[in-house]
Parts: sequence; structure tokens; C-alpha cells
Amino acid sequence: QKEVEQNSGPLSVPEGAIASLNCTYSDRGSQSFFWYRQYSGKSPELIMFIYSNGDKEDGRFTAQLNKASQYVSLLIRDSQPSDSATYLCAGLTGNQFYFGTGTSLTVIP
Amino acid sequence: EAQVTQNPRYLITVTGKKLTVTCSQNMNHEYMSWYRQDPGLGLRQIYYSMNVEVTDKGDVPEGYKVSRKEKRNFPLILESPSPNQTSLYFCASSRALSYEQYFGPGTRLTVT
Repeated sequence: QKEVEQNSGPLSVPEGAIASLNCTYSDRGSQSFFWYRQYSGKSPELIMFIYSNGDKEDGRFTAQLNKASQYVSLLIRDSQPSDSATYLCAGLTGNQFYFGTGTSLTVIP
Repeated sequence: EAQVTQNPRYLITVTGKKLTVTCSQNMNHEYMSWYRQDPGLGLRQIYYSMNVEVTDKGDVPEGYKVSRKEKRNFPLILESPSPNQTSLYFCASSRALSYEQYFGPGTRLTVT
């Protein structure tokens, strides 16, 4: 069974802090990982993806992948109240996606 | 405007009455997919399609059918809906090489 697991939270951070969201996966054959943000009542929107070991930065967001530990993370720097949402981690194996259940993030002004 | 559209957005139906949820994208994407989202279970992939006439099962295909006769359209068919198919359904599309999916607005289905 291919699984992607996330801590459901809720995670609360003060405005301006770094929010750290984590995800583990069970299938070593997964080749890429994606982070989506989903506001309440809305559809998921892609933040970024990563497929190589190490860090990938895009603005205030940094994705990290450690294939040896089967671990993916998303760091949000200078967190803003508008970052309050549920963050979904997804792994791609072949042409099939496996999503975690999401982590709820609240940024407190 | 680049977008994925779904219709209807809301649907209440009865057990056994066949229904179709349409999905259309205007980005010339090869990859299209259907998901259902349930509390505590997250997003689960139902079916996906790599291109016209190429479809494959996702994690939870039972009770669903799809077709891909045109590149832009990927309808989801429930031939005999049951209450356990009550859920929020999302269609998504992406280029086949990137898999950077764009999601539609969602269809909330209730089967009584």
C-alpha cells in the first residue's frame, strides 16, 4: 500500500515565524513530490514540487526532500495570516498520485 | 483564462440513478484525473488519463467509469450511485511531463 502521511495538526505559528510542515512516504519508487495549499471550501492549488534530494526554494517557500529517510517537508518563511490553510503533500509513483490527509496551518496575527 | 471547469457544482441524487459529472480544461493538457475528498481520508485518486483514449485506475475506482474521447474533456460517470459515494469530487489536469496539476472548483455530490 503506497502511503503518504502527514501530521494533521492543527499547527499554529505567529505571524512572521517559520512554519514547518512534514510528510513521510512509504513507496521508494515515488519519483516526485508536490505541495498543495487548500483554503477552506476551495480547491487545492499547487505551491511547488520537488524530485531531487535537497532543497528547492521559491520565494518564501522551501521544499526539502530526503529520499533516504523518505521524508518531504515544506518551510514557509515570514508566515502571513493569508498562509492559513490546509497543506497537502502528494507523491507521484508512475502516473498515479497519493495524497496525505493534510496539515492545517493557522498563522496568528 | 486557463481553467478547469466542472459541472454541476452541487448535486443531490438518489441511489441507483445514473449521473455524469463533466470536466473540461482549456490548457491542452494531456494528463487528467479525478479525485474524491473525504474528511479524514484526504484526496484519493479515482481514475486518470494520460491522453485521448488512455485511461487507468487510481486508488479507488470501484463504482466509477470514465472516458476520454476528446483531449479537453474527462467525464466521471456513476452508473448506479450509492450513499458511500457521497463526497467532494475534484477534476485536475496537467501537462504529461510536469504533473503540475490544476484543479477544478469541485463538485459536491450527495447520494441519498
